Amino acid sequence: QSALTQPRSVSGSPGQSVTISCTGTSSDVGGYTYVSWYQQNPGKAPKLMIYDVNKRPSGVPDRFSGSKSGNTASLTISGLQAEDEADYYCCSYAGSYTWVFGGGTKLTVL
Amino acid sequence: QVQLVESGGGVVQPGGSLRLSCAASGFTFSSYGMHWVRQAPGKGLEWVAFIRYDGSNKSYGDSVKGRFAISRDNSKNTLYLQMNSLRAEDTAVYYCAKGDSNYFLYWGQGTLVTVSS
Repeated sequence: QSALTQPRSVSGSPGQSVTISCTGTSSDVGGYTYVSWYQQNPGKAPKLMIYDVNKRPSGVPDRFSGSKSGNTASLTISGLQAEDEADYYCCSYAGSYTWVFGGGTKLTVL
Repeated sequence: QVQLVESGGGVVQPGGSLRLSCAASGFTFSSYGMHWVRQAPGKGLEWVAFIRYDGSNKSYGDSVKGRFAISRDNSKNTLYLQMNSLRAEDTAVYYCAKGDSNYFLYWGQGTLVTVSS
């Protein structure tokens, strides 16, 4: 159960697009279509942004999208807004009723 | 609406024990698996444990296996986490989360556990 690998930080200007990667192994990210992404603001509980690799829950703007290729999943935020500044975490099912999170990425909107 | 309310956090000495509770409402608790997820101060999220809707299957993260035990009381709509042999590195905010398939849509507000002498 090693944590998934995410960049520690990414940044972008308002209106731009940013992509956050999440690299695992064939035992987690690469083995299942069960990757989810969470946004977390300081002192708050995480909020689900993407599930099952590329599905958006109700209420999440379509500026947020997810994809996966091999052992790497990605979260893309287009039309960046100031309110998107937060920490983002990926998570993958890893088999046998276990899950693993990424280390988290701090998104800064310049 | 779905509500998850954790309780039971506090300060405990290394080697001590603590039991966390998570009171659930707004959904049919007995039909869903439930998780515990934790976050150490300034650190990332870590999945801790899962229990199936009927308690028939339980799973744990490697860092807590053999020390923590997840359980549930479907008659009380309550999830538990019994934490034994606590270490400084167990210091974290502990969240309960509703098990919607393979993602976490609903989270509690968290309860802080501090392991310190």
